[in-house]
Amino acid sequence: AQSVTQLGSHVSVSEGALVLLRCNYSSSVPPYLFWYVQYPNQGLQLLLKYTTGATLVKGINGFEAEFKKSETSFHLTKPSAHMSDAAEYFCAVIRGADGLTFGKGTHLIIQP
Amino acid sequence: GAVVSQHPSWVICKSGTSVKIECRSLDFQATTMFWYRQFPKQSLMLMATSNEGSKATYEQGVEKDKFLINHASLTLSTLTVTSAHPEDSSFYICSASNRNTGELFFGEGSRLTVL
Repeated sequence: AQSVTQLGSHVSVSEGALVLLRCNYSSSVPPYLFWYVQYPNQGLQLLLKYTTGATLVKGINGFEAEFKKSETSFHLTKPSAHMSDAAEYFCAVIRGADGLTFGKGTHLIIQP
Repeated sequence: GAVVSQHPSWVICKSGTSVKIECRSLDFQATTMFWYRQFPKQSLMLMATSNEGSKATYEQGVEKDKFLINHASLTLSTLTVTSAHPEDSSFYICSASNRNTGELFFGEGSRLTVL
């Protein structure tokens, strides 16, 4: 069975600092992994995804994530946080042939 | 912890029939619920945003007459796929936003197969 664990329900960083949101997965098959962002009162927006190929995936808004099979991780990073990055972030893994299993989410707080 | 329940988790129906999927927030009130659709091995697609007591806001390209959304109470939103056809077969996921904390919780999804 596929599962996702996001470490830290809340992460707070200063504006301009590195953003690191952690995601570990469990999957019995090669995983498809996603990071989604949700701004207040809005739906999910796909940030980036890993399916096959290059393990470093670049997404929108300057975010990127690296798939590390040995660590079963897919951590999300951004070199320099911006106030507009404050949002809820979800890591997700494909469940079986289709469908998604989501992590519980990490609330990113940007301090001025 | 907070739970969002979707029912049914899977349903098979004949072409031309209508199917209703329920999304319930079990221990919190949700002013906003979101409905997503997912095709095999693809990302979620937001279909609509449902606000309690008002009409849903549909994303571009989503047929509002095809996918009827009702959010009649603070704990229940329903998605009705009307006159379903095989191309409507998909995985539908709802999420609910806690009105007090703003936290977002997802249902487990409902798999619709139209024969």
